[in-house]
Amino acid sequence: KAGVTQTPRYLIKTRGQQVTLSCSPISGHRSVSWYQQTPGQGLQFLFEYFSETQRNKGNFPGRFSGRQFSNSRSEMNVSTLELGDSALYLCASSLGDRGKDTFGSGTRLTVV
Amino acid sequence: LAKTTQPISMDSYEGQEVNITCSHNNIATNDYITWYQQFPSQGPRFIIQGYKTKVTNEVASLFIPADRKSSTLSLPRVSLSDTAVYYCLVGDDTGGFKTIFGAGTRLFVKA
Repeated sequence: KAGVTQTPRYLIKTRGQQVTLSCSPISGHRSVSWYQQTPGQGLQFLFEYFSETQRNKGNFPGRFSGRQFSNSRSEMNVSTLELGDSALYLCASSLGDRGKDTFGSGTRLTVV
Repeated sequence: LAKTTQPISMDSYEGQEVNITCSHNNIATNDYITWYQQFPSQGPRFIIQGYKTKVTNEVASLFIPADRKSSTLSLPRVSLSDTAVYYCLVGDDTGGFKTIFGAGTRLFVKA
């Protein structure tokens, strides 16, 4: 079956712009989580959505937001981009049970 | 959420068994222990999960002592392709599972 699909794979944005990243989970998976990965901070949890509701949230500013649609697809939005937002953004999906997530290949965002 | 501590890096040779230990002194009753593997420029991949005693699958074994304050991921007969970062996580699904990745252990397998 198809894995977790993230689009786009690469993105270059300018400071101050906003960006929307997309994630299509594995069919039947209702939980979608987002992570930011940077060399300095490692993998950091952004938020998790389950059945269109945000179930958990990490310690990121309000510029980072997300949503989940009725088909479980999810989007993540970052407004007013900063240079420090340059990172690999990973999406993971699961049936909703205890961390057995399947990750996508990520979107590499570069802010210039 | 329980914090985890792992060695930053480990070296091994092909064909050897590798054991990576993770400390989680503040693990809660409902917490499970999960290990992921990550290759460069890829998302992490679920390896194994356990609650107590020993769990084995086709990829690895997970040993968890009775006090559950640590766990050991065992990779039998590693190959060059096992060179990756390995993450240990603890957490539960009460009110939704929140995943905290530590720094991970960078395993380098040499020929």
